[in-house]
Amino acid sequence: SQTIHQWPATLVQPVGSPLSLECTVEGTSNPNLYWYRQAAGRGLQLLFYSVGIGQISSEVPQNLSASRPQDRQFILSSKKLLLSDSGFYLCAWSALGDRAALEQYFGPGTRLTVT
Amino acid sequence: AQKITQTQPGMFVQEKEAVTLDCTYDTSDPSYGLFWYKQPSSGEMIFLIYQGSYDQQNATEGRYSLNFQKARKSANLVISASQLGDSAMYFCDVGNNRKLIWGLGTSLAVNP
Repeated sequence: SQTIHQWPATLVQPVGSPLSLECTVEGTSNPNLYWYRQAAGRGLQLLFYSVGIGQISSEVPQNLSASRPQDRQFILSSKKLLLSDSGFYLCAWSALGDRAALEQYFGPGTRLTVT
Repeated sequence: AQKITQTQPGMFVQEKEAVTLDCTYDTSDPSYGLFWYKQPSSGEMIFLIYQGSYDQQNATEGRYSLNFQKARKSANLVISASQLGDSAMYFCDVGNNRKLIWGLGTSLAVNP
């Protein structure tokens, strides 16, 4: 069965510090991978998605970046965090398929507080 | 552009009763999927049910069913026999081409 891991679970970082969040998927090959951010009491905002190694699509211009160095590894980074980067970060994966849209499966999330 | 509207920010239901969570969507894509997710207070996002835009039958998954009315662009979630563990945020999504557009969610509280 497929499993998605995300770490750390919680993170408190000062403004201006770097960020690296990691997500790995087990039990599937060549998944689509996604990074979302959820502000308190809100829905999900798609930040990045990737359909393959080295292929990253950015949805929202910001000071965040994403990389996919391996098939099942997705990393979210920032060189200098802003207060507005605080939120709940979720990684998700979906399989390849013929349907118009595919359900996504989520990791446990990282709660980031920028102070 | 795709858009999801969930007009009920909060809902209450008595345990063992059924509840309907509303969702309307807007998309110009001829082929798309509709999804519902559940997010308990722990934060995990749990996939519940999927409906394809060309599916003739309404989707069902256990106690969850999706009331799909394509002409009205409506995809309401029906939860039958509510349980205390159903208390959570519920999100409706529309998507195609690998991306999902998320609604703002409905908070459901199940009362004992």
